[in-house]
Amino acid sequence: NAGVTQTPKFRILKIGQSMTLQCTQDMNHNYMYWYRQDPGMGLKLIYYSVGAGITDKGEVPNGYNVSRSTTEDFPLRLELAAPSQTSVYFCASSYHWNTEAFFGQGTRLTVV
Amino acid sequence: AQKITQTQPGMFVQEKEAVTLDCTYDTSDQSYGLFWYKQPSSGEMIFLIYQGSYDEQNATEGRYSLNFQKARKSANLVISASQLGDSAMYFCAMRFNAGKSTFGDGTTLTVKP
Repeated sequence: NAGVTQTPKFRILKIGQSMTLQCTQDMNHNYMYWYRQDPGMGLKLIYYSVGAGITDKGEVPNGYNVSRSTTEDFPLRLELAAPSQTSVYFCASSYHWNTEAFFGQGTRLTVV
Repeated sequence: AQKITQTQPGMFVQEKEAVTLDCTYDTSDQSYGLFWYKQPSSGEMIFLIYQGSYDEQNATEGRYSLNFQKARKSANLVISASQLGDSAMYFCAMRFNAGKSTFGDGTTLTVKP
């Protein structure tokens, strides 16, 4: 099993550009999450989804959008990138809310 | 508001000794789950242990155990017989049945030979 796959692993964006971070899981998990991790800090929830067609905002959703058209995919869209969005982004999935989350390897994004 | 507090930015432990990493949480929800994750310097997130809010027994997974004190809202991680490979950042997290979750800022554990 591949688990949770995130692409790309690294990206440099210019201020004002847009991009989509891809996330796919092959474990048939209902719950999916996007987090960002700033240096030396914990993870902050950006958006989450409890199933296909359902998404909800987390703690820091501004500047981001998500969609969940299938169980497997949960892309994160950054519109009009800003330096404050420089961070490491993690996608994760879990079968249920009270089961372990499996994380992707992370995407290191730099906005210059 | 839901919040996780990890008060120890850094901890040192001698190899083969036990260490406790502190985690306190704040929520008014009755139903929640508490998780501990390890993040080595390579950056991946590794699940260690889970405790449900209604679980009466403390969770254990190999060398990891969770000291759950519900009334005090604490969920401390105990690592027994520390190994050099345990050196990493450790995060306490809480998740709710609507899917929302929150993480603490982490504790950096260094195991000394």
